[in-house]
Amino acid sequence: ETGVTQTPRHLVMGMTNKKSLKCEQHLGHNAMYWYKQSAKKPLELMFVYSLEERVENNSVPSRFSPECPNSSHLFLHLHTLQPEDSALYLCASSQEWGRRTEAFFGQGTRLTVV
Amino acid sequence: TQLLEQSPQFLSIQEGENLTVYCNSSSVFSSLQWYRQEPGEGPVLLVTVVTGGEVKKLKRLTFQFGDARKDSSLHITAAQPGDTGLYLCAGVGGSQGNLIFGKGTKLSVKP
Repeated sequence: ETGVTQTPRHLVMGMTNKKSLKCEQHLGHNAMYWYKQSAKKPLELMFVYSLEERVENNSVPSRFSPECPNSSHLFLHLHTLQPEDSALYLCASSQEWGRRTEAFFGQGTRLTVV
Repeated sequence: TQLLEQSPQFLSIQEGENLTVYCNSSSVFSSLQWYRQEPGEGPVLLVTVVTGGEVKKLKRLTFQFGDARKDSSLHITAAQPGDTGLYLCAGVGGSQGNLIFGKGTKLSVKP
């Protein structure tokens, strides 16, 4: 398998649930990203990991918690979300952070909070 | 804050027509990328332009980076239904070199 893989593709969760989104990249990249894509808004950068260290956290609420156990895997842990958090969550990777930033995206997880 | 404005927001055309979409900013970017996103999928990188005034061609798609590196355009010749999708421009900027995305142009090409 090649590229960037995200699971699950679709997720419906209640506001009191806890769930996790998973991302795996097989490109040998050093940087991984979480983006949020909502209707009528540009892609919003949420978190950046470079060489497994978090290097950017763009004022994201604490109900979103990222984890990067190694350079190939990235998780987004979700708890007590709000309906306005419903969106497409995209994972991406790039060769390096800050320089070679051509991004390779996964297919996304369509999240619905009810 | 660096912003990228894309226009038009929506474009619906017939197969065979030509079109141009624009990506504009008041900020300078070190490089600019174009992506296409199909429904239910993540964005896919089409091209990166780096030098002011640069023109790149990808089959029927022509990309241009403005001389001042603040704007870019994408021209499609003889559009086909397979060109349907959301076209996103993204600039590399800011102190950290992160990608800044526009809202996109949603293109629909009817047979």
